[in-house]
Amino acid sequence: DVKVTQSSRYLVKRTGEKVFLECVQDMDHENMFWYRQDPGLGLRLIYFSYDVKMKEKGDIPEGYSVSREKKERFSLILESASTNQTSMYLCASKATGYNEKLFFGSGTQLSVL
Amino acid sequence: ILNVEQSPQSLHVQEGDSTNFTCSFPSSNFYALHWYRWETAKSPEALFVMTLNGDEKKKGRISATLNTKEGYSYLYIKGSQPEDSATYLCARVTKAAGNKLTFGGGTRVLVKP
Repeated sequence: DVKVTQSSRYLVKRTGEKVFLECVQDMDHENMFWYRQDPGLGLRLIYFSYDVKMKEKGDIPEGYSVSREKKERFSLILESASTNQTSMYLCASKATGYNEKLFFGSGTQLSVL
Repeated sequence: ILNVEQSPQSLHVQEGDSTNFTCSFPSSNFYALHWYRWETAKSPEALFVMTLNGDEKKKGRISATLNTKEGYSYLYIKGSQPEDSATYLCARVTKAAGNKLTFGGGTRVLVKP
């Protein structure tokens, strides 16, 4: 069964901390994505990667960075967490092609206090 | 329409009733439209990927139509059941955006027994 695994389901961090969210997929997908979901705003794209070491900014990249050293792993980094980064974070992957669907992880609910 | 918009934001449906809701999107530069279902405590899962004007897709009691010229898609649920309770998300893919999907805000459906 295909799988996208996010390292933590719930995470509580302090303002100013550096936060790492990890995502691993086992489908050999070229493309991986990080979204955040806030009530009424749907899924907003933070960053995506179309190959190892390749990344592109999404719609809301400010305050975030990403790392993709291996094809199966895509990490989201909050350099200095702030309270407005409290949110549900979803990782997804897909094969290349406009018709290919996204496969999502189970999400990480991050609270920044 | 500048972004992907879904309406209504939420709706309550009596068990057994049918319902439908809308995804509106810019019609220019269109390539594909995705529908996802996101149940509480689970990962979003793909329902349909639609590309052609006039496309109709069906999966059990759920179906979708697509009008790319006027920029909208309808999702229908026939004979709603409690297990249909979920947030339904649509996402647009453009030729210019590569593999990037732009999501709407979602329609949250609650089916009352």
